Amino acid sequence: EAGVTQSPRYAVLQEGQAVSFWCDPISGHDTLYWYQQPRDQGPQLLVYFRDEAVIDNSQLPSDRFSAVRPKGTNSTLKIQSAKQGDTATYLCASSPLGGSYEQYFGPGTRLTVL
Amino acid sequence: GDKVKQSPSALSLQEGTNSALRCNFSIAATTVQWFLQNPRGSLINLFYLVPGTKENGRLKSAFDSKESYSTLHIRDAQLEDSGTYFCAAETEGADRLTFGKGTQLIIQP
Repeated sequence: EAGVTQSPRYAVLQEGQAVSFWCDPISGHDTLYWYQQPRDQGPQLLVYFRDEAVIDNSQLPSDRFSAVRPKGTNSTLKIQSAKQGDTATYLCASSPLGGSYEQYFGPGTRLTVL
Repeated sequence: GDKVKQSPSALSLQEGTNSALRCNFSIAATTVQWFLQNPRGSLINLFYLVPGTKENGRLKSAFDSKESYSTLHIRDAQLEDSGTYFCAAETEGADRLTFGKGTQLIIQP
C-alpha cells in the first residue's frame, strides 16, 4: 500500500510570492489533514477535510492561505503572498473513516521564505 | 498552557540503555498516537492507543486516560532510535490531533 505522497519536497520563496503544495492521501482514506510544523515545534493543524468538505479551517490564515480537495482525493494547499513567518514544514496526513482514526503522514514540504 | 506536555524536552543516552518518555494531557484525551520524526523529517507511526498498553519489539507504550498521561519506553536503545519523539492526543468528537513539542533523543555509541 502506497503511503501519503507530497510535492514538492522543498520550496524557497521571496516574501510576497505564491506557492502551492500538493498531497495524495492513502487510497480509501476519506479524511485529509494539513499541518504546519515550525522548526523545533510539533505539528499544528491548519485544516482538514472529510471527502471534499472542509470540516475545520479555523486555524487557517484565511487572508493568505487556501486549501481545496475538489474530488475528495488529492488536495492542494496554497499560500497567496508568503511571509517569512510562514517558514515551516507543511505536512499532509490521512486517516480512514470508521474503526481507528490513526493518522498517517506524508514526508512534508519544507518551505523557506526569504 | 500546553494542552499536551512532553518530558523531557531532550535526552542523550548510551547505546544499550533504557529510557522513558512521558506526555501529560490537560485535555480529555481519548486516544494517543506516538511518532518518531527521523532526521529527514518523516513522521513514523509507532503506536495508536486507546487506554491500555501496547508493545512492539523494544518499544512499549501505555495510555491512562483517567490520570491523563501516556508513556513510551525504549529498551536497549539503538543508534537508529535517534530522532524526535512526538505524542499527539485526540479528544471525543474531534478527529484531529493535538501534538506536544517533542522529545529530542540522541543515542550515542
